[in-house]
Amino acid sequence: DAKTTQPPSMDCAEGRAANLPCNHSTISGNEYVYWYRQIHSQGPQYIIHGLKNNETNEMASLIITEDRKSSTLILPHATLRDTAVYYCIVSTSGTYKYIFGTGTRLKVLA
Amino acid sequence: EAGVAQSPRYKIIEKRQSVAFWCNPISGHATLYWYQQILGQGPKLLIQFQNNGVVDDSQLPKDRFSAERLKGVDSTLKIQPAKLEDSAVYLCASSFGLAGTYEQYFGPGTRLTVT
Repeated sequence: DAKTTQPPSMDCAEGRAANLPCNHSTISGNEYVYWYRQIHSQGPQYIIHGLKNNETNEMASLIITEDRKSSTLILPHATLRDTAVYYCIVSTSGTYKYIFGTGTRLKVLA
Repeated sequence: EAGVAQSPRYKIIEKRQSVAFWCNPISGHATLYWYQQILGQGPKLLIQFQNNGVVDDSQLPKDRFSAERLKGVDSTLKIQPAKLEDSAVYLCASSFGLAGTYEQYFGPGTRLTVT
């Protein structure tokens, strides 16, 4: 079973920030939080990852709570091309494998 | 930088036939993964290679699925014989190192339909 919980779907207006939450209450101290997205008929695309500090790159920002039990992916100015399924994954220490859940289907509305 | 290459992109076979998928990872990536993604679900890891050795194949149905990564570069995944429930997208991914510390890069996938 996936170690994360995400809402099944969200809508966001174009140009507004999209905030996608993820719960990972059983995360261990040395496990990373990764975010990927999958646009229809394509392979998943890496977005960002973090351990305990907030992270930002050209695509998004990742906010991890101090207790590390949850995180939020922020797309600062959502566009129609950001419509996709977003997966939050905790990398399993020891086995180093990803366990994908069903993700959040984000729909950006014009 | 070239991405992960997969072929074919689409394949339709009848049940009990065999099929093979090919993957060429990003140059220099030591770790290669095969995932199965059934419609409406997230990808499920089938097998993970580090160079040409298997790290994890716990979810690979070994009675019908096999995979190899000769010379530690490209890889093939085979299904023999196929069942209806094998209809899915088969994704290949690669990373510089093990998943815990390096991001994975995915190919476009092969969509398999078993009739």
